[in-house]
Amino acid sequence: AQTVTQSQPEMSVQEAETVTLSCTYDTSENNYYLFWYKQPPSRQMILVIRQEAYKQQNATENRFSVNFQKAAKSFSLKISDSQLGDTAMYFCAFIPSNAGGTSYGKLTFGQGTILTVHP
Amino acid sequence: EPEVTQTPSHQVTQMGQEVILRCVPISNHLYFYWYRQILGQKVEFLVSFYNNEISEKSEIFDDQFSVERPDGSNFTLKIRSTKLEDSAMYFCASSESVGGGTYNEQFFGPGTRLTVL
Repeated sequence: AQTVTQSQPEMSVQEAETVTLSCTYDTSENNYYLFWYKQPPSRQMILVIRQEAYKQQNATENRFSVNFQKAAKSFSLKISDSQLGDTAMYFCAFIPSNAGGTSYGKLTFGQGTILTVHP
Repeated sequence: EPEVTQTPSHQVTQMGQEVILRCVPISNHLYFYWYRQILGQKVEFLVSFYNNEISEKSEIFDDQFSVERPDGSNFTLKIRSTKLEDSAMYFCASSESVGGGTYNEQFFGPGTRLTVL
């Protein structure tokens, strides 16, 4: 079974500053994907960024980047140039994949981190 | 852009009543999921559904829950006799297929907030 842990219940940052959200996970799987989802007050789940475990290069999507440390089972999200619209709950999530890279099964989520961006 | 839709957006019911939550997955998707999120807590997997049968379910998904794809477009979650602790946000998700050596993204609907009084 997989577990995903987010140890920061709440974080805050000033607009235009950088913030890092932490996530650790535990799994016996060698192949998997990791994600960060954003859940704004509307409660819609929005995929922010995805990381394939077999890739050493950290994923980047515009202002969002990750620091993936496979040996340490750590997967943090860095948000640069924070904007007011980034205020949301952020969830780290995991899904296993087979050796061919095809994901299967359910997403396992962490507890979430509430991020507030202050003007 | 295709999206997953869910109805109703908010459902209020009395304890012991049956509720049916409805989802319309993206049209060419083959895998369907229900997740729930109790207020302020993490999102938890309930059940996945493929080829007209349950492919996986969690320990939360007991005999009070059932899922159905009654036609070619809808995917429903039924709770037979609601309990107070069933109050939560219920998310439907769908993915295109399993295969191809890639991640088949699960697209989430906007959720149905269920309140059991």
